[in-house]
Amino acid sequence: AQRVTQPEKLLSVFKGAPVELKCNYSYSGSPELFWYVQYSRQRLQLLLRHISRESIKGFTADLNKGETSFHLKKPFAQEEDSAMYYCALRGAQKLVFGQGTRLTINP
Amino acid sequence: SQTIHQWPATLVQPVGSPLSLECTVEGTSNPNLYWYRQAAGRGLQLLFYSVGIGQISSEVPQNLSASRPQDRQFILSSKKLLLSDSGFYLCAWTGQHTGELFFGEGSRLTVL
Repeated sequence: AQRVTQPEKLLSVFKGAPVELKCNYSYSGSPELFWYVQYSRQRLQLLLRHISRESIKGFTADLNKGETSFHLKKPFAQEEDSAMYYCALRGAQKLVFGQGTRLTINP
Repeated sequence: SQTIHQWPATLVQPVGSPLSLECTVEGTSNPNLYWYRQAAGRGLQLLFYSVGIGQISSEVPQNLSASRPQDRQFILSSKKLLLSDSGFYLCAWTGQHTGELFFGEGSRLTVL
């Protein structure tokens, strides 16, 4: 079975501080992992995927198969990073999401 | 370019009434289609997905059903709504060989 766990429902950090949003997964096959973001009054959209190994808006995420984790990181948070973040796992043809973490960046 | 449309955007229905939420995708063919429910504190719950016309996979047994009468049309239905069906419903699509999901704007359902 596919399962994604985001242990933090809420995360609040100050502007300029580092950010780490945690994501752990459970899947017997070869996982494909994503981070999606939803800014206020906007549609849910893709932020990054592990196969791209790229940095988007300063965010990076590394797939750690040993720890079954895909944590999202940014060294210096900005106020515009405040949003809802979802970790997602694709297995076969379906995508399963975690519960989401609401990130608030305080000025 | 591809677009996804979902309607109605807002719906208020009495308990026991039927439901039909519709989703259509334009600019692509043979998409994978999905219905999710988004609830505070419960994240995005996958309800149904479809890899082709008439092919529906149900993830959560409940009071809802889904149908795909045409390649780019996905419908979420209920014969008799319950209070617990209230929520925000999202339709989404992916290509057959890509993992990126594209979401509709959502439909907010309130059952009274």
